[in-house]
Amino acid sequence: EIVLTQSPGTLSLSPGETATLSCRASQSVGGKYLAWFQQKPGQSPRLVIYGAASRATGIPDRFSGSGSGTDFTLTITRLEPEDFAVYYCQQYGESAMGSFGQGTKVEIK
Amino acid sequence: EVHLLESGGGLVQPGGSLRLSCEASGFTFSNYAMAWVRQAPGKGLECVAGLYAGGDRGIEYADSVKGRFTISRDNSRNTMFLQMNSLRADDTALYYCAKDLISGDGIWLLSEWGQGTLVAVSS
Repeated sequence: EIVLTQSPGTLSLSPGETATLSCRASQSVGGKYLAWFQQKPGQSPRLVIYGAASRATGIPDRFSGSGSGTDFTLTITRLEPEDFAVYYCQQYGESAMGSFGQGTKVEIK
Repeated sequence: EVHLLESGGGLVQPGGSLRLSCEASGFTFSNYAMAWVRQAPGKGLECVAGLYAGGDRGIEYADSVKGRFTISRDNSRNTMFLQMNSLRADDTALYYCAKDLISGDGIWLLSEWGQGTLVAVSS
């Protein structure tokens, strides 16, 4: 089982700044099958990035993903008030039991 | 528009049972792998069960629920189920149903989620 470790646990930033979130896997994630989800309080998770770098439908271009192997990054430039949320990475592909990271909270400073 | 509506949650005593349902609309349900993902209060996400579109490719369960939970689907009713038996306090969570982005064999990229149904296990 691949274990995903996200850092930092909490990121305190102001609107307009850039958020850089990290997701490190305990072993290589094949096929770049790494996704990022956004979850706001009281809402269900929303797919943001898949295939490590592809934006999901309706996701603005200030969201970008990068990485391969065991190290992945979600970058959010020009933070908007609606971007403050918890972000989870997840590896997917061959199994339904793809693990999630523990989450990074992006909060308003 | 894809819509997933979970129901069946509630308060149950330890050792009890519940059956969750997920009614799907807005897509050809039978063509997609589906999953149940739970989130304990204030915690992260855990996929507990997944069911391939064709059914014959099988079913997967998290170790934490294996032998206690059963996932199934009724394609004629566009509905997925999660039968939960021998419930424990640590099963307390919001249970989401989720749909794979890709039809067919499935890659378990959960692109659409319902709003969840709350299961509370307590005496």
